[in-house]
Amino acid sequence: SQTIHQWPATLVQPVGSPLSLECTVEGTSNPNLYWYRQAAGRGLQLLFYSVGIGQISSEVPQNLSASRPQDRQFILSSKKLLLSDSGFYLCAYKTFNTGELFFGEGSRLTVL
Amino acid sequence: AQSVAQPEDQVNVAEGNPLTVKCTYSVSGNPYLFWYVQYPNRGLQFLLKYITGDNLVKGSYGFEAEFNKSQTSFHLKKPSALVSDSALYFCAVRGEISSGSARQLTFGSGTQLTVLP
Repeated sequence: SQTIHQWPATLVQPVGSPLSLECTVEGTSNPNLYWYRQAAGRGLQLLFYSVGIGQISSEVPQNLSASRPQDRQFILSSKKLLLSDSGFYLCAYKTFNTGELFFGEGSRLTVL
Repeated sequence: AQSVAQPEDQVNVAEGNPLTVKCTYSVSGNPYLFWYVQYPNRGLQFLLKYITGDNLVKGSYGFEAEFNKSQTSFHLKKPSALVSDSALYFCAVRGEISSGSARQLTFGSGTQLTVLP
């Protein structure tokens, strides 16, 4: 069966510090991978998606970047965090062209 | 551009009563429609989807949704609500013939469902 893992689950970081959130998928190959941010427990904002190794599409200009070094690994990074980067970050994957997304459990980032 | 509207931020219903969470959409071509549920501090869980076929789609936990093409709606329903159904519900859409970034799902803003005991 397919599973998706995100870590860390919770992170508190000072402004200006770096960030690395990791997401891995098991039980499938060549998935489409996604990073979403959810602010204030509501709407989802698509940040990045990837259709393959090294292929990253960015939906919004921002302080964050994403990388896909392996088929089933998707990393969200920042060199210097801003207060506005606080939020709940969700990784997701999709295996079929018309299929649903499967989400990880999320990483809650608080920037102080 | 594709879009989803969930007109109600909050829906309250008494336990045992039927519930409806509304969703309307706009998309090019035929829609692919989805409902997700989110419990506090958790990821989104898939409930059901409409791709083609019967307009009434049955999903997890006794939920169902009705696709209405003329009204461009995909309302989520359950005949008898449980307190444990209290959560945040998201509707999502993408178009069959979408291209580029529009091939990705577009989510509504979410509806908080509270089932009162």
